[in-house]
Amino acid sequence: DAGVTQSPTHLIKTRGQQVTLRCSPKSGHDTVSWYQQALGQGPQFIFQYYEEEERQRGNFPDRFSGHQFPNYSSELNVNALLLGDSALYLCASSSGSWETQYFGPGTRLLVL
Amino acid sequence: GESVGLHLPTLSVQEGDNSIINCAYSNSASDYFIWYKQESGKGPQFIIDIRSNMDKRQGQRVTVLLNKTVKHLSLQIAATQPGDSAVYFCAENMNRDDKIIFGKGTRLHILP
Repeated sequence: DAGVTQSPTHLIKTRGQQVTLRCSPKSGHDTVSWYQQALGQGPQFIFQYYEEEERQRGNFPDRFSGHQFPNYSSELNVNALLLGDSALYLCASSSGSWETQYFGPGTRLLVL
Repeated sequence: GESVGLHLPTLSVQEGDNSIINCAYSNSASDYFIWYKQESGKGPQFIIDIRSNMDKRQGQRVTVLLNKTVKHLSLQIAATQPGDSAVYFCAENMNRDDKIIFGKGTRLHILP
């Protein structure tokens, strides 16, 4: 049983570009959350998707958007990239409030 | 802003000794407190969590203690091994599928 998977593993972009990151949840999970982890910091919550809708959102600008598909996989889109968007982007999946969330390995994004 | 913080950024422990990692939190409304282990280049790995109505919970070689009076959380690792080297984050949320609020992390360094 595969855990949470993310693609790509690494990505290099330049300022102003747009990026799409992908996440496949753990089998049986229907909720996907995205986090941004800057170097040396703890992960920061971006948003959460459930039933193809954004259910919660953290303190991130509208440049950060997402989508969840009928198969529960999810995408994170970031427009007009800034140097400060360089970070490890983590996806976590869960199923209901009785089970903990499981994290994927992350996508490391470098903005030049 | 962050409601979970850590007292020490780095902890060095002799192999075989017990490790104690401490954490302070400020949101008394949180219901779950979680410890994650993050190894270099990987996503956070769930270690153990504790609900607010408990003061102690044990897992395999790990124990989490919760003191709600002083809003303090600790992780004890028995007989520390080289494989325990990682950054440890305490975190909290209202429900297990709710957004997770992470602290800044403590790096555990194992001395031979």
